[in-house]
Amino acid sequence: EVQLVQSGAEVKKPGESLKISCKGSGYHFTTYWIGWVRQMPGKGLEWMGIIYPGDSDTRYSPSFQGQVTISADKSITTAYLQWSSLKASDTAMYYCASPGLNWNDGWGFWGQGTLVTVSS
Amino acid sequence: DIQMTQSPSSLSASVGDRVTITCRASQSISMYLNWYQQKPGKAPKLLISGASSLQSGVPSRFSGSGSGTDFSLTISSLQPEDVATYYCQQSYSYYSRHGFGPGTKVDIK
Repeated sequence: EVQLVQSGAEVKKPGESLKISCKGSGYHFTTYWIGWVRQMPGKGLEWMGIIYPGDSDTRYSPSFQGQVTISADKSITTAYLQWSSLKASDTAMYYCASPGLNWNDGWGFWGQGTLVTVSS
Repeated sequence: DIQMTQSPSSLSASVGDRVTITCRASQSISMYLNWYQQKPGKAPKLLISGASSLQSGVPSRFSGSGSGTDFSLTISSLQPEDVATYYCQQSYSYYSRHGFGPGTKVDIK
């Protein structure tokens, strides 16, 4: 069974750095694309970027390019979403999700979400 | 940049009603269109991929159609458990700001 398990909720101050994780299991980690989605409070879904762990091919939405870093560690089957300097506007639920083998398939596998709160 | 729009933004219908949500892309995305259901406090769930392929385990009252720029999701007989927000997503290009449509909130009248 494919599972994506995300790290726990975070409370941070503006300007702090943060790295949240998404651990994949039940499949060959290097062969499935993994993407990240933001959902701000009471708002819709925004796709942020996607990575192919096999070769670290990463594609970012223009809205998030330069704002976050997506990476993956094959040795521990984990993908990451990272900020170097958080802003209050980064407060949101963040989901990792996977379309499986083909990046243009529907995203059939989802993590449970990580709530990030940024407040002074 | 591919823009995704959905209509209506919300709807209220009776149990048993036929409900249709439309999604439009600003340029052709072939059949790279997926539909998701999100219930409050939960992660989204993939219902339909490739415009019309129903995912395993999804009730047959859900169906999708369309190609190019115009797509629709239909619930043939609305049930109380279908109360949710529905999103379309284009997977034609990841170099677009707009992967997901803005969503359609479905309620029971």
